[in-house]
This record gives sequence, structure tokens and C-alpha cells, in this order.
Amino acid sequence: AQSVTQLGSHVSVSEGALVLLRCNYSSSVPPYLFWYVQYPNQGLQLLLKYTSAATLVKGINGFEAEFKKSETSFHLTKPSAHMSDAAEYFCAVSDGGSGTYKYIFGTGTRLKVLA
Amino acid sequence: SQTIHQWPATLVQPVGSPLSLECTVEGTSNPNLYWYRQAAGRGLQLLFYSVGIGQISSEVPQNLSASRPQDRQFILSSKKLLLSDSGFYLCAWTGRGQETQYFGPGTRLLVL
Repeated sequence: AQSVTQLGSHVSVSEGALVLLRCNYSSSVPPYLFWYVQYPNQGLQLLLKYTSAATLVKGINGFEAEFKKSETSFHLTKPSAHMSDAAEYFCAVSDGGSGTYKYIFGTGTRLKVLA
Repeated sequence: SQTIHQWPATLVQPVGSPLSLECTVEGTSNPNLYWYRQAAGRGLQLLFYSVGIGQISSEVPQNLSASRPQDRQFILSSKKLLLSDSGFYLCAWTGRGQETQYFGPGTRLLVL
């Protein structure tokens, strides 16, 4: 069975500071991993994804994530936080093997950016 | 380009009333379709998914049902709403053989 754990339901950073949002996964097969962002009362927008190619994945809005198999982690980072980054972030895992591409989501991390 | 629509955007319903939420996808054929519920302070829970017309898989036993009457239409229903059905309902799709899910704008349901 697959699972995703996001450490820290709330994270606060100062504007211009490093953003680090943590995600650990469990999967019995090579996983597909995703980060999504959700702004209030909106759907989810894909930030980036790992699908067994390069382990360092670059996404939109300056975000990137590194797949570390030995640590079963897929942490999301951004060198310098911007006020517009304030949102909720979700990590998800999909096995894809059955062709259904069902996701298991983490419980989310709400990012607050302080001026 | 592909787009996904959900309606209504917001719905307030009394306990015991029926429910019908609609999701449609444009610009693609034969997508996989998904319904999620997002309760306050919790992550997204997969409710149903569909790999084709009339093919529905339920992930969690509950008061809800889903149907796919057309290739790009996915409907979430209930005969009698419960207070616990309140939440934010999201529809998503993937292209055939594709791993990335794309989400609609969501429907906020409040059951009173």
C-alpha cells in the first residue's frame, strides 16, 4: 500500500527566505510523485512531478524538488519566498501500474509568508 | 487545449435533500475521471474514479454515488445528504495512459 506523510501542517517563512516543505512516501513499486498548490477556494494546480527521470525536478514559480529513494523523500524547496507563495501545498504519490493513476495525497502544508 | 468544468461552484443544501454535482472535460477523449472530497483541515480523499463510460469504482463506502453517462461527463450524487457530506468536492482527469491529474475549480457544499 502507498502512503504520503507531510511533516508540518503549517509552515511560516519570511519573505526572501528559503522555503522547505517536507514529504515522505511509502510505495512498494517505483512511485510517481507530485506536488500541487491550492489557493483559497480553488482547485489544485500542478507544481512539478517526478516520473523516474531526473531526480531533481524543476517546476513552476521557482519551485523544485529532489527525489531521494534512500530517504523515501520528495521535499519541495524554493530559494526565496514571495508573498504570492502563501497557499496550501499537497504532496501525492501514484503507482500508475494499474493504469488508473490513482493518487494518495498527504494532508497538506499551509505556507504562510511573513513580510 | 483541455479544460475541466464543475458546477455549481457553491451549494447549500438541507440534510436529507438530494445532491447532483457535475463535472465535464473538454478537449480530450476517453479520459480517466476522479472525484475527491476535501474536508476542512484534512487532505484529499478519493471517492470514485472511472476509466470509461458506465465504469465506476468506489474507493470509500459512503452516502454518495457516481455515474459517467457520457465520455467526458462525471456526476456525483446522493439521495439523502448528511451533515458529514459537507466539504469541497474536486473533479480531476488524466489523459489515457498519462500520469498527471488536472483538477477542476471545485464545488463547495454546505449541508445544514
